Amino acid sequence: QLQLQGSGPGLVKPLETLSLTCGVSGGSLRGGFYYWGWIRQPPGKGLEWVGSIYYSGGTYYNPSLKSRVTISVDTSKNQFSLNLRSVTAADTALYFCARWDASGSYDIWHFDLWGRGTPVTVSS
Amino acid sequence: QSVLTQPPSASGTPGQRVTMSCSGSSSNIGSNTVNWYQQLPGTAPKLLIYSNNQRPSGVPDRFSGSKSGTSASLAISGLQSEDEADYYCAAWDDNLHWVFGGGTKLTVL
Repeated sequence: QLQLQGSGPGLVKPLETLSLTCGVSGGSLRGGFYYWGWIRQPPGKGLEWVGSIYYSGGTYYNPSLKSRVTISVDTSKNQFSLNLRSVTAADTALYFCARWDASGSYDIWHFDLWGRGTPVTVSS
Repeated sequence: QSVLTQPPSASGTPGQRVTMSCSGSSSNIGSNTVNWYQQLPGTAPKLLIYSNNQRPSGVPDRFSGSKSGTSASLAISGLQSEDEADYYCAAWDDNLHWVFGGGTKLTVL
């Protein structure tokens, strides 16, 4: 059974870069037509999609974060990563890695698999 | 502020039917389908409804979804205590990104 496990520093200083990695186990991120990405949830607030990547490198990003975000994939390690630059307290959140099922037509696209979430606090 | 608008709270008693709404615009709900996610306390969200009204395997038929124009609704019939959770709607936007609602916290009285 395929699982996602996020990891990374729990504390990042303001203006520095937040870096997280999500490992895929129980299957290959090359299989099927899936995008792999990140969705975050600030404390006590709702969900915000950050961005997603296909195993061959194609990406989609949230327009509000696009200037600061890079998502990359390492197929040899079966993992993908998030870099968010110049962070502020507003980037403090629980970061979920998630799989976007993009098989079939766009009208059945959805996020079907989520990791447990990696908490990140931005503070000096 | 979330792109999709959801009421912050909803409530019902066991056995009751409750509904919750999700409002968007022509570029997201108006032209694409809606998904619903359930987030139990302290856990990751789980897909509840996709493509407006389709239930993944394992989701009880007490949960149903619908869409009309730029709005969507989630209905839960035969409310149970374990349904107490946060519910989020989401849709693909024609500007090539996903948008989410702010979530509705469901309380079972």
